This record gives sequence, structure tokens and C-alpha cells, in this order.
Amino acid sequence: DTGVSQNPRHKITKRGQNVTFRCDPISEHNRLYWYRQTLGQGPEFLTYFQNEAQLEKSRLLSDRFSAERPKGSFSTLEIQRTEQGDSAMYLCASSLPARLAGNSNEQFFGPGTRLTVL
Amino acid sequence: DAKTTQPNSMESNEEEPVHLPCNHSTISGTDYIHWYRQLPSQGPEYVIHGLTSNVNNRMASLAIAEDRKSSTLILHRATLRDAAVYYCILRAISGGYQKVTFGIGTKLQVIP
Repeated sequence: DTGVSQNPRHKITKRGQNVTFRCDPISEHNRLYWYRQTLGQGPEFLTYFQNEAQLEKSRLLSDRFSAERPKGSFSTLEIQRTEQGDSAMYLCASSLPARLAGNSNEQFFGPGTRLTVL
Repeated sequence: DAKTTQPNSMESNEEEPVHLPCNHSTISGTDYIHWYRQLPSQGPEYVIHGLTSNVNNRMASLAIAEDRKSSTLILHRATLRDAAVYYCILRAISGGYQKVTFGIGTKLQVIP
């Protein structure tokens, strides 16, 4: 499978614990995005990477959240001191470099990691 | 990003055409209209996009009003696999960066 992969698919944790999610984008995609989706809502943008550089962060990304993409390939999203309000689906997406993407600039989404904070 | 307005839900009979409307009255001249859909328990997937002219691809057709203040996604023959949430999104291209703002979308139910 050459699509975007995310691990784990499900994570249950207790309030106050730290969790880390991993996203592996499509190999030739240098742009990577994280979104959060709660029940009945559309995905909300969290952060964007171009190669290893984190170019934009939403105000939704509080100090407890940190995302990295150290080598410009896979990315991790860590949530420290989880709260029940962090329970959501965390989606990762990737897309081609702008010069190759054309005007569709299609984002390819992974299946998401569902986080439940007890 | 300019906002879009979609009905919360729609129903269609299987094998019937479906017209999913989207209003975007504040669209700017450089905004592309994109549609994504999200099947149950999956991430969103790209469906189609357009700027001014109507567009067709293997998944759907996109009809864009002449004033570009509204558009309609057309599924020519709905199947049970088309049951999903459909998102209409405007994307303004600036320096190649493409932040996507999703709304609530339209939940399409396909009735056998």
C-alpha cells in the first residue's frame, strides 16, 4: 500500500498521560498536514510542514501539542498531559510539491488515529 | 478563507442522480472550488475541483454557476458506496501553500 499510513489506529489513554502518533506520508510528497476531527464536525487544521520545516500552526495547537518532521519524511504528533477534550480523530495528509501538484493540490489523507482519553 | 454553506444532510435512492449544492457567495476571483468526501471510518478523499468551467471526472461532475457564487457536485448514479460526508471547500492559492478549511459538509444517505 503506497498511501498515507498512520499509527496507531486507535489509542486509549488516561487523562494526564502523554501520547505520540506517527504519520508516514506518500514518499514523494514533501508537504504534510495534521488535522483533528471530532464527532459530527469536519477536520480542523492543526499544522503544516514543508519538508522538515513547520510553516504554520493553528491556534488549536496548544502548548501541550508538538509536531515534528525531523528528516522531512515521517512526522510525529505528541500530546502531553492529555485531557478528555483531546479525544478525537487525528488525521494526517500529504501532498506533492507545489511545482508538481497542479491546481488541484490534492491532499491525500491517512485513515487517522482515534484517541480516547478516559 | 471564504466560507461555504451546504445542507447538513441529503438522501438519494440508489442508482439515481444526486445533486449536492454549495453556496459560496464571498468567493474571490482566485479561489478554486474543491470537493472532498469522507467515507465512514476513513480520511477524506479528493473528488473534484474547478475554477470557472464545469468539470467532469470518473467520480463526479462539478457544475459552477456563472457568477461562481454557487456550485453543485453531481453524482450521476448514486451507489451505496457513495454514502459519505461531502465537503465543499474554497482554496486560495498563495505561494503554493494549501491550507484546507473544512466545514460540516453534507451527509449523503443512499437508500437501496
